[in-house]
Amino acid sequence: DGGITQSPKYLFRKEGQNVTLSCEQNLNHDAMYWYRQDPGQGLRLIYYSQIVNDFQKGDIAEGYSVSREKKESFPLTVTSAQKNPTAFYLCASSPTTGYENYEQYFGPGTRLTVT
Amino acid sequence: AQKITQTQPGMFVQEKEAVTLDCTYDTSDPSYGLFWYKQPSSGEMIFLIYQGSYDQQNATEGRYSLNFQKARKSANLVISASQLGDSAMYFCAMRDNTGFQKLVFGTGTRLLVSP
Repeated sequence: DGGITQSPKYLFRKEGQNVTLSCEQNLNHDAMYWYRQDPGQGLRLIYYSQIVNDFQKGDIAEGYSVSREKKESFPLTVTSAQKNPTAFYLCASSPTTGYENYEQYFGPGTRLTVT
Repeated sequence: AQKITQTQPGMFVQEKEAVTLDCTYDTSDPSYGLFWYKQPSSGEMIFLIYQGSYDQQNATEGRYSLNFQKARKSANLVISASQLGDSAMYFCAMRDNTGFQKLVFGTGTRLLVSP
Protein backbone atom coordinates (compact mmCIF):
# COMPACT_ATOMS: atom_id res chain seq x y z
CA ASP A 1 0.00 0.00 0.00
CA GLY A 2 1.23 3.47 -0.86
CA GLY A 3 1.30 6.06 1.84
CA ILE A 4 3.23 8.09 4.37
CA THR A 5 4.62 6.69 7.59
CA GLN A 6 5.68 8.68 10.59
CA SER A 7 7.37 7.23 13.59
CA PRO A 8 7.00 7.11 16.45
CA LYS A 9 3.37 8.04 17.11
CA TYR A 10 4.22 9.37 20.59
CA LEU A 11 7.58 10.80 21.60
CA PHE A 12 8.74 12.09 24.95
CA ARG A 13 11.91 14.11 25.50
CA LYS A 14 13.57 16.13 28.16
CA GLU A 15 14.04 19.83 27.64
CA GLY A 16 17.36 20.67 26.02
CA GLN A 17 17.57 17.52 23.91
CA ASN A 18 17.35 17.46 20.14
CA VAL A 19 14.89 14.97 18.70
CA THR A 20 14.37 13.73 15.13
CA LEU A 21 10.97 12.83 13.74
CA SER A 22 10.84 10.38 10.88
CA CYS A 23 8.77 10.73 7.70
CA GLU A 24 8.86 8.25 4.81
CA GLN A 25 6.65 8.10 1.70
CA ASN A 26 6.34 5.55 -1.10
CA LEU A 27 4.02 7.59 -3.29
CA ASN A 28 6.83 8.76 -5.56
CA HIS A 29 5.96 12.36 -4.74
CA ASP A 30 8.52 15.07 -5.31
CA ALA A 31 7.31 17.50 -2.65
CA MET A 32 7.27 16.91 1.08
CA TYR A 33 6.17 19.12 3.98
CA TRP A 34 6.28 19.38 7.74
CA TYR A 35 3.48 21.00 9.70
CA ARG A 36 2.97 21.75 13.34
CA GLN A 37 -0.47 21.68 14.99
CA ASP A 38 -1.20 23.14 18.41
CA PRO A 39 -4.46 22.54 20.33
CA GLY A 40 -7.38 24.44 18.83
CA GLN A 41 -5.32 25.65 15.90
CA GLY A 42 -4.86 24.83 12.29
CA LEU A 43 -1.67 23.55 10.70
CA ARG A 44 1.35 25.79 10.29
CA LEU A 45 4.11 25.07 7.80
CA ILE A 46 7.57 24.46 9.23
CA TYR A 47 9.64 23.37 6.20
CA TYR A 48 9.00 22.11 2.71
CA SER A 49 11.03 20.44 0.00
CA GLN A 50 10.21 20.33 -3.69
CA ILE A 51 13.11 18.13 -4.72
CA VAL A 52 15.92 16.06 -3.27
CA ASN A 53 18.73 18.07 -1.67
CA ASP A 54 16.63 21.23 -1.61
CA PHE A 55 14.32 22.59 1.07
CA GLN A 56 12.86 25.90 2.11
CA LYS A 57 11.74 27.48 5.37
CA GLY A 58 8.04 27.75 6.01
CA ASP A 59 6.26 30.13 8.33
CA ILE A 60 7.65 28.82 11.64
CA ALA A 61 11.09 27.33 10.86
CA GLU A 62 12.99 28.73 13.85
CA GLY A 63 14.28 25.95 16.09
CA TYR A 64 13.81 23.23 13.47
CA SER A 65 16.02 21.66 10.83
CA VAL A 66 15.43 19.18 7.99
CA SER A 67 17.27 17.17 5.37
CA ARG A 68 16.19 15.67 2.06
CA GLU A 69 18.85 13.21 0.97
CA LYS A 70 16.37 10.76 -0.55
CA LYS A 71 13.11 11.32 -2.38
CA GLU A 72 11.29 9.05 0.05
CA SER A 73 12.52 10.58 3.30
CA PHE A 74 12.20 14.00 4.96
CA PRO A 75 13.22 13.85 8.63
CA LEU A 76 12.57 16.80 10.94
CA THR A 77 14.87 17.65 13.86
CA VAL A 78 13.41 19.64 16.70
CA THR A 79 16.36 21.37 18.29
CA SER A 80 16.80 22.68 21.81
CA ALA A 81 16.44 26.17 20.35
CA GLN A 82 12.72 25.59 19.73
CA LYS A 83 11.07 27.32 22.68
CA ASN A 84 7.75 25.45 22.70
CA PRO A 85 8.34 22.09 21.01
CA THR A 86 5.40 20.22 22.53
CA ALA A 87 2.94 19.81 19.67
CA PHE A 88 1.48 17.44 17.08
CA TYR A 89 3.69 17.16 14.00
CA LEU A 90 2.32 16.14 10.62
CA CYS A 91 4.28 15.23 7.52
CA ALA A 92 2.73 15.45 4.05
CA SER A 93 3.68 14.88 0.43
CA SER A 94 2.32 15.81 -2.98
CA PRO A 95 3.21 15.77 -6.68
CA THR A 96 4.49 19.13 -7.86
CA THR A 97 3.81 19.26 -11.54
CA GLY A 98 1.00 18.35 -13.87
CA TYR A 99 -1.66 18.08 -11.19
CA GLU A 100 -3.42 21.38 -10.67
CA ASN A 101 -5.94 19.98 -8.25
CA TYR A 102 -3.61 17.69 -6.33
CA GLU A 103 -4.06 17.39 -2.62
CA GLN A 104 -1.40 16.87 -0.01
CA TYR A 105 -1.34 13.39 1.48
CA PHE A 106 -0.72 13.31 5.20
CA GLY A 107 0.94 10.85 7.53
CA PRO A 108 -0.59 9.79 10.85
CA GLY A 109 1.43 12.35 12.82
CA THR A 110 3.81 12.30 15.79
CA ARG A 111 2.78 13.75 19.11
CA LEU A 112 5.88 15.21 20.77
CA THR A 113 5.92 16.04 24.47
CA VAL A 114 8.90 17.85 25.96
CA THR A 115 9.17 18.22 29.73
CA ALA B 1 -1.18 37.45 2.31
CA GLN B 2 -3.60 34.61 2.14
CA LYS B 3 -5.97 33.94 4.99
CA ILE B 4 -8.64 31.37 5.80
CA THR B 5 -11.33 32.08 8.38
CA GLN B 6 -13.54 29.45 9.99
CA THR B 7 -15.86 31.19 12.44
CA GLN B 8 -17.59 28.13 13.87
CA PRO B 9 -15.49 26.51 16.61
CA GLY B 10 -18.10 23.77 17.03
CA MET B 11 -21.20 22.49 15.28
CA PHE B 12 -23.81 19.92 16.30
CA VAL B 13 -26.00 17.93 13.96
CA GLN B 14 -28.29 14.97 14.27
CA GLU B 15 -27.62 11.81 12.35
CA LYS B 16 -29.07 11.82 8.81
CA GLU B 17 -29.40 15.61 8.70
CA ALA B 18 -27.33 17.95 6.54
CA VAL B 19 -24.83 20.43 7.97
CA THR B 20 -22.90 23.37 6.53
CA LEU B 21 -19.44 24.29 7.74
CA ASP B 22 -18.41 27.85 6.91
CA CYS B 23 -15.17 29.00 5.34
CA THR B 24 -14.21 32.41 4.04
CA TYR B 25 -10.92 33.25 2.43
CA ASP B 26 -8.86 36.23 1.45
CA THR B 27 -6.38 36.37 -1.37
CA SER B 28 -5.28 38.73 -4.09
CA ASP B 29 -4.24 35.89 -6.40
CA PRO B 30 -6.55 35.28 -9.36
CA SER B 31 -5.74 31.58 -9.41
CA TYR B 32 -6.12 29.48 -6.29
CA GLY B 33 -7.52 26.24 -4.96
CA LEU B 34 -9.66 25.50 -1.95
CA PHE B 35 -9.56 22.25 0.02
CA TRP B 36 -11.43 20.65 2.87
CA TYR B 37 -9.78 18.11 5.14
CA LYS B 38 -11.23 15.98 7.92
CA GLN B 39 -9.21 15.19 11.03
CA PRO B 40 -10.60 12.38 13.21
CA SER B 41 -9.46 12.00 16.80
CA SER B 42 -6.65 9.72 15.57
CA GLY B 43 -4.99 12.78 14.07
CA GLU B 44 -4.45 12.04 10.41
CA MET B 45 -5.70 14.55 7.84
CA ILE B 46 -8.10 13.11 5.28
CA PHE B 47 -8.71 14.97 2.02
CA LEU B 48 -12.40 15.48 1.28
CA ILE B 49 -12.93 17.85 -1.64
CA TYR B 50 -11.26 20.42 -3.89
CA GLN B 51 -12.53 23.53 -5.70
CA GLY B 52 -10.46 25.48 -8.20
CA SER B 53 -10.98 29.22 -8.52
CA TYR B 54 -11.84 28.89 -12.19
CA ASP B 55 -14.16 25.93 -11.83
CA GLN B 56 -17.60 26.79 -13.12
CA GLN B 57 -19.46 24.23 -11.08
CA ASN B 58 -19.44 23.51 -7.36
CA ALA B 59 -17.40 20.44 -6.47
CA THR B 60 -19.11 17.33 -5.17
CA GLU B 61 -17.69 14.10 -3.76
CA GLY B 62 -20.29 11.65 -2.53
CA ARG B 63 -21.99 13.17 0.53
CA TYR B 64 -19.68 16.21 0.43
CA SER B 65 -20.32 19.28 -1.66
CA LEU B 66 -18.65 22.65 -1.71
CA ASN B 67 -20.81 25.78 -1.92
CA PHE B 68 -18.39 28.09 -3.72
CA GLN B 69 -19.37 31.75 -3.88
CA LYS B 70 -16.44 33.53 -5.47
CA ALA B 71 -17.77 37.07 -5.12
CA ARG B 72 -18.30 36.52 -1.40
CA LYS B 73 -14.98 34.66 -1.09
CA SER B 74 -16.67 31.78 0.66
CA ALA B 75 -16.23 28.02 0.25
CA ASN B 76 -18.62 26.30 2.61
CA LEU B 77 -18.62 22.53 3.03
CA VAL B 78 -22.00 20.81 2.99
CA ILE B 79 -22.25 17.31 4.41
CA SER B 80 -25.51 15.59 3.55
CA ALA B 81 -27.06 12.71 5.52
CA SER B 82 -24.63 13.03 8.45
CA GLN B 83 -23.26 9.85 9.97
CA LEU B 84 -21.80 9.20 13.42
CA GLY B 85 -18.42 8.68 11.77
CA ASP B 86 -18.49 12.26 10.50
CA SER B 87 -17.70 13.51 14.01
CA ALA B 88 -14.27 15.11 13.64
CA MET B 89 -12.42 18.38 13.11
CA TYR B 90 -12.82 19.90 9.67
CA PHE B 91 -10.26 22.24 8.15
CA CYS B 92 -10.59 24.54 5.19
CA ALA B 93 -7.37 25.32 3.35
CA MET B 94 -6.29 27.40 0.39
CA ARG B 95 -3.43 27.04 -2.02
CA ASP B 96 -2.26 29.77 -4.31
CA ASN B 97 -1.37 28.56 -7.77
CA THR B 98 1.63 30.82 -8.22
CA GLY B 99 5.14 30.19 -7.05
CA PHE B 100 5.42 27.41 -4.51
CA GLN B 101 1.94 26.19 -3.89
CA LYS B 102 1.77 25.91 -0.13
CA LEU B 103 -1.44 25.36 1.80
CA VAL B 104 -2.78 27.86 4.32
CA PHE B 105 -5.19 26.37 6.87
CA GLY B 106 -8.04 27.75 8.93
CA THR B 107 -8.44 27.01 12.63
CA GLY B 108 -11.01 24.31 12.06
CA THR B 109 -14.56 23.44 13.10
CA ARG B 110 -15.36 20.52 15.41
CA LEU B 111 -18.43 18.65 14.21
CA LEU B 112 -20.35 16.39 16.56
CA VAL B 113 -22.99 14.09 15.12
CA SER B 114 -25.54 12.79 17.60
CA PRO B 115 -27.76 9.70 17.21
